[in-house]
Amino acid sequence: DGGITQSPKYLFRKEGQNVTLSCEQNLNHDAMYWYRQDPGQGLRLIYYSQIVNDFQKGDIAEGYSVSREKKESFPLTVTSAQKNPTAFYLCASTSQGESTDTQYFGPGTRLTVL
Amino acid sequence: EDKVVQSPLSLVVHEGDTVTLNCSYEVTNFRSLLWYKQEKKAPTFLFMLTSSGIEKKSGRLSSILDKKELFSILNITATQTGDSAIYLCLVGSNYQLIWGAGTKLIIKP
Repeated sequence: DGGITQSPKYLFRKEGQNVTLSCEQNLNHDAMYWYRQDPGQGLRLIYYSQIVNDFQKGDIAEGYSVSREKKESFPLTVTSAQKNPTAFYLCASTSQGESTDTQYFGPGTRLTVL
Repeated sequence: EDKVVQSPLSLVVHEGDTVTLNCSYEVTNFRSLLWYKQEKKAPTFLFMLTSSGIEKKSGRLSSILDKKELFSILNITATQTGDSAIYLCLVGSNYQLIWGAGTKLIIKP
């Protein structure tokens, strides 16, 4: 089955620790995105990558880092510099075909920093 | 600056009512407008609109785009408690994808 997987589903970390969230897709999509969502709020773009080995900051990139060494994978690291990391993190991808704006989402990772 | 504004931010209605959600945009080189429904997990795709005046319909949900007045509406008729969710609007241009803040819809039994 084609899709996007994120792991883990729930993650707990102590304050001051870096943590890496996984995002893998087998849809052969070029573009991948990371969003943060706080309770009752919309999606805010953290980073996006349109091609391997290239990525761009979104609206709230401070305290986060990414890599895109493979087309299938776009991991997000939440660093200790992120002041309020507790949130729901969503990874998405888009194709380069007809519907380039249609975002396909992973199931999300709910991060809680204690 | 490009922006997408959804209204209302939240809405509470009773089961069986009809609701209309609005998504207005100011975007350079508009390409498409998409509606998503989000329950307590990842957003799920509802509609993509690229042309004015053509209604997209799926069961009790329908949506239409007005490219002259720069907005789209999402209608839900005969609402059910399962329609309770955040409805998100996404606008794509040649340069970027912009999300609205969402409308939180609560359907009371």
